[in-house]
Amino acid sequence: EVQLVESGGGLVQPGGSLRLSCAASGFTFSSYWMSWVRQAPGKGLEWVANIKQDGSEKYYVDSVKGRFTISRDNAKNSLYLQMNSLRAEDTAVYYCARDEEGCSSTSCYPLGMDVWGQGTTVTVSS
Amino acid sequence: DIQMTQSPSSLSASVGDRVTITCRASQGIRNDLGWYQQKPGKAPKRLIYAASSLQSGVPSRFSGSGSGTEFTLTISSLQPEDFATYYCLQHNSYPQTFGQGTKVEIK
Repeated sequence: EVQLVESGGGLVQPGGSLRLSCAASGFTFSSYWMSWVRQAPGKGLEWVANIKQDGSEKYYVDSVKGRFTISRDNAKNSLYLQMNSLRAEDTAVYYCARDEEGCSSTSCYPLGMDVWGQGTTVTVSS
Repeated sequence: DIQMTQSPSSLSASVGDRVTITCRASQGIRNDLGWYQQKPGKAPKRLIYAASSLQSGVPSRFSGSGSGTEFTLTISSLQPEDFATYYCLQHNSYPQTFGQGTKVEIK
């Protein structure tokens, strides 16, 4: 069964740090781009960051650039999100998600996020 | 950034109704769009990818259409389990952006 399980959420003070983890199973983790998506309480979904299969490319939403770092360990089938300088507006449920790709004979192209974890809650408050 | 404008933000419908939700992109995104369903306290679930392809396991009453800047999600006959919030997502360019969501409620 394809599965993503997040962990590492919790309560942290403004300015603090937290590291989220996502354990993948049931598929070849090293073959997929991976993303983090968050949802503030009562709000919509916001894509946060993603990372290429080998970690050579990373993209971030502007609001977290310079504060958050996405990384992965393919040997451990794990995705991470290091969050520094946390703000109240970072309070959210954080989901990891698999980025599906389609490939032709010459290139691959994104198809969006097809598998999601159950989420881990991050609360930034004093 | 590409803005995704989803409408309506909410709707009330009855079981058996045909429901249509629209997403408009601020610039052309080809068919790089997916539709997601989210129930309270749960992770999103993908229904449609590449604007019109049905995700495996998703009932055929769900369909998607559109290309460029205008996209539609249609539920042909609303079922009790379809009451949820629906989001579109463009993955044509970074940052990937979601519509603001459409909450489908029971009339």
